[in-house]
Amino acid sequence: NAGVTQTPKFQVLKTGQSMTLQCAQDMNHEYMSWYRQDPGMGLRLIHYSVGAGITDQGEVPNGYNVSRSTTEDFPLRLLSAAPSQTSVYFCASSYGRWGEQFFGPGTRLTVL
Amino acid sequence: SQQGEEDPQALSIQEGENATMNCSYKTSINNLQWYRQNSGRGLVHLILIRSNEREKHSGRLRVTLDTSKKSSSLLITASRAADTASYFCATDNNAGNMLTFGGGTRLMVKP
Repeated sequence: NAGVTQTPKFQVLKTGQSMTLQCAQDMNHEYMSWYRQDPGMGLRLIHYSVGAGITDQGEVPNGYNVSRSTTEDFPLRLLSAAPSQTSVYFCASSYGRWGEQFFGPGTRLTVL
Repeated sequence: SQQGEEDPQALSIQEGENATMNCSYKTSINNLQWYRQNSGRGLVHLILIRSNEREKHSGRLRVTLDTSKKSSSLLITASRAADTASYFCATDNNAGNMLTFGGGTRLMVKP
């Protein structure tokens, strides 16, 4: 099993550009989530999904969209990138909402 | 706002010593989890303790949970240089609909 995969690993955007961060898991997990981690800080939840077709907002959803058309994939879309979105983004999945979270390797995003 | 907060923010010890880090949270929880993050990597799950459990062990790790004090501690015994990492606790939030992480404890184990 590949576990949780994320692409790209690094990305540089200009202010106002849009892009999609990809996340996929092959463990048949229902629960998936996106976090951002800023330097020296913990993780903040952006959006999460409890199954295909169901998504909800986390702590810091503004400026981000998600969709969940399949169990495997959970892409995160930045609508109009801003410097404040410079961060490391982690995708995670779990069998149950409160179970062990499996994290991807992260995407380092810089917005100029 | 963060549900869980770790203490201390940073800890430096010698190899072979024990490391203890604490997590405090604000409201009732279903379970509490501890994760490790090596520099530049994703988080790795260490241990989960349920709200009706008081202590749990996994190898050199010992986790305790005191629901009356809304706190948990992670003890790493006989630490190794490879234990150098950041450690995070995670709990479900007030509404019970999301898992939230604390700011972490940065542990440095000197050889």
